[in-house]
Amino acid sequence: GNSVTQMEGPVTLSEEAFLTINCTYTATGYPSLFWYVQYPGEGLQLLLKATKADDKGSNKGFEATYRKETTSFHLEKGSVQVSDSAVYFCALSTGGSNYKLTFGKGTLLTVNP
Amino acid sequence: KAGVTQTPRYLIKTRGQQVTLSCSPISGHRSVSWYQQTPGQGLQFLFEYFSETQRNKGNFPGRFSGRQFSNSRSEMNVSTLELGDSALYLCASSFADLNTEAFFGQGTRLTVV
Repeated sequence: GNSVTQMEGPVTLSEEAFLTINCTYTATGYPSLFWYVQYPGEGLQLLLKATKADDKGSNKGFEATYRKETTSFHLEKGSVQVSDSAVYFCALSTGGSNYKLTFGKGTLLTVNP
Repeated sequence: KAGVTQTPRYLIKTRGQQVTLSCSPISGHRSVSWYQQTPGQGLQFLFEYFSETQRNKGNFPGRFSGRQFSNSRSEMNVSTLELGDSALYLCASSFADLNTEAFFGQGTRLTVV
């Protein structure tokens, strides 16, 4: 079956530091890959996505590249802000009649001023 | 456009009772998925409905059930509640194509006492 493994948290950084959250996956077929973010008391919001190998998803300064050879989709941001403090989830989906999202455990990021 | 709406936002129930949660998807989305989020298990897939048919089901006991109506609105029901059912229940809607993302509601926080 499908599975997603992401870096255990929590991660604590100072403002303007560089962020990397590692994510690797196992999937049957050719999945799409996503990063979702969850702010306190909220549901999940899509941060970025990639649908084929070597695609780079990007949004709000965050980036992740779909690496089929290493089955990875690591999240990066060059300079984090206090407002980036949240829980980040890596996820994959397979479409059609088997449509569902498989999530990693989530990584709590805290950014201090 | 309006997002995914889940009602109620909060619920407190007693062990042994049953509960029904509601989800209104984004207009035009025919797929509705449900997820359970707990601190210990993370985000776990419950089931997915597409055009009133359950296409996919996660590994949950039969006490968890759902349905989808012709207007794509969905309900999930949990019978004979247990303390371990306390969780945030998230609903997501999508077009269910491989390359499209799921949009999440804010969730229903269920507490079983």
